Amino acid sequence: DIQMTQSPSTLSASVGDRVTITCRASQSISTWLAWYQQKPGKAPKFLIYKASSLESGVPSRFSGSGSGTEFTLTISSLQPDDFAAYYCQQYYSYPITFGQGTRLEIK
Amino acid sequence: QVQLVQSGAEVKKPGASVKVSCKASGYTFTGYYMHWVRQAPGQGLEWMGWINPNSGGTHYVQEFQGRVTMTRDTSISTAYMELRSLTSDDTAVYYCARGLTPLHDSSGSNIYDYWGQGTLATVSS
Repeated sequence: DIQMTQSPSTLSASVGDRVTITCRASQSISTWLAWYQQKPGKAPKFLIYKASSLESGVPSRFSGSGSGTEFTLTISSLQPDDFAAYYCQQYYSYPITFGQGTRLEIK
Repeated sequence: QVQLVQSGAEVKKPGASVKVSCKASGYTFTGYYMHWVRQAPGQGLEWMGWINPNSGGTHYVQEFQGRVTMTRDTSISTAYMELRSLTSDDTAVYYCARGLTPLHDSSGSNIYDYWGQGTLATVSS
């Protein structure tokens, strides 16, 4: 199974900050990586696919990059609505696996 | 608009089974894979498998093989996930989630653009 490791586990930031979350795969997954946002008590929301393609309707302050084993999710200017948990997911091979999550909290 | 509406919360005893339903609307149910993902309290997301609603074909994570069955009823656009021999480790919110791309396009069939609201299954004696 491909292990996905996110860092940091928790990130404290302020509105307006630029933040980056890293996701590392235990083996190369090319660009078969997606990102989701999840708020407490809610289902995940789809943000990015193919490592860097923004889902329709997702604000442009979100961006993704990377290939192979290292990937990043960047939020260019944090908004109050962005404080949530973020998960990466590889869909290169079965079983599909997720990172353990990064909790983005208000400083 | 696409909607996935799941059945309500369940409380089960160890050793019992739980069956969660997921009713789809707003799109052609038989045109997209339906996946199941679970999340234990305070934990991350765990993929369980998928069903092809057109053929009924399934793919399960090895960990759940023999314990999980995914089915569908195309007449009512509903997918089901049954998990048997429950233990306390199966206490989780269970989500259904639609694959992004249609069945014939594998490029996005394993990522999820629409999710159900989740069904909490609690296993407790």
